[in-house]
Amino acid sequence: ETGVTQTPRHLVMGMTNKKSLKCEQHLGHNAMYWYKQSAKKPLELMFVYNFKEQTENNSVPSRFSPECPNSSHLFLHLHTLQPEDSALYLCASSQEGGVLAVGNEQFFGPGTRLTVL
Amino acid sequence: AQKITQTQPGMFVQEKEAVTLDCTYDTSDPSYGLFWYKQPSSGEMIFLIYQGSYDQQNATEGRYSLNFQKARKSANLVISASQLGDSAMYFCAMRVNDYKLSFGAGTTVTVRA
Repeated sequence: ETGVTQTPRHLVMGMTNKKSLKCEQHLGHNAMYWYKQSAKKPLELMFVYNFKEQTENNSVPSRFSPECPNSSHLFLHLHTLQPEDSALYLCASSQEGGVLAVGNEQFFGPGTRLTVL
Repeated sequence: AQKITQTQPGMFVQEKEAVTLDCTYDTSDPSYGLFWYKQPSSGEMIFLIYQGSYDQQNATEGRYSLNFQKARKSANLVISASQLGDSAMYFCAMRVNDYKLSFGAGTTVTVRA
């Protein structure tokens, strides 16, 4: 595997289900991100992990729970979601140095298309 | 707060012609980076080109070039010699001195044979 992979690619779940999205990066990066892409809205940053520590929680509802067990893996645990949570969830990674650099490119995975019934 | 504006929801271009996608940005930070990503129907965001705020020359990557006009706060993407495979959604994004990439609403490009 190369780059950033995400599983599953498609997920349909009921509002009472609990599911998890998985992201794995094979690039040796130390920062990982979750984004939400809804129809007709710009990409929204949800969470940032740098060196496995969460550094950003962009006012995301608690029904979304991230987990970063190591610098290569990132999970998004989902529970009691709402239909408006249906969206494409994108994972990304980047290599960050000791000083934040504006030119650090983020590499994206193919996304998980989530439908909440 | 940082803001990215893409005013063209959709564009049509004839194969082999050039197309320019508009992007304006707003930030008070003197150091920032501007990115363009391509998103085909498969969903993956593909990095195309990067321009730093202190870069003196416009960035180029193959058929992609960035028309960077700092005073006007614009960073338009030019795709030359369009191909059918260029049909996709294109996003302009900006990063200042944190981890956030702020994205515009995107422009859908359809290349006609």
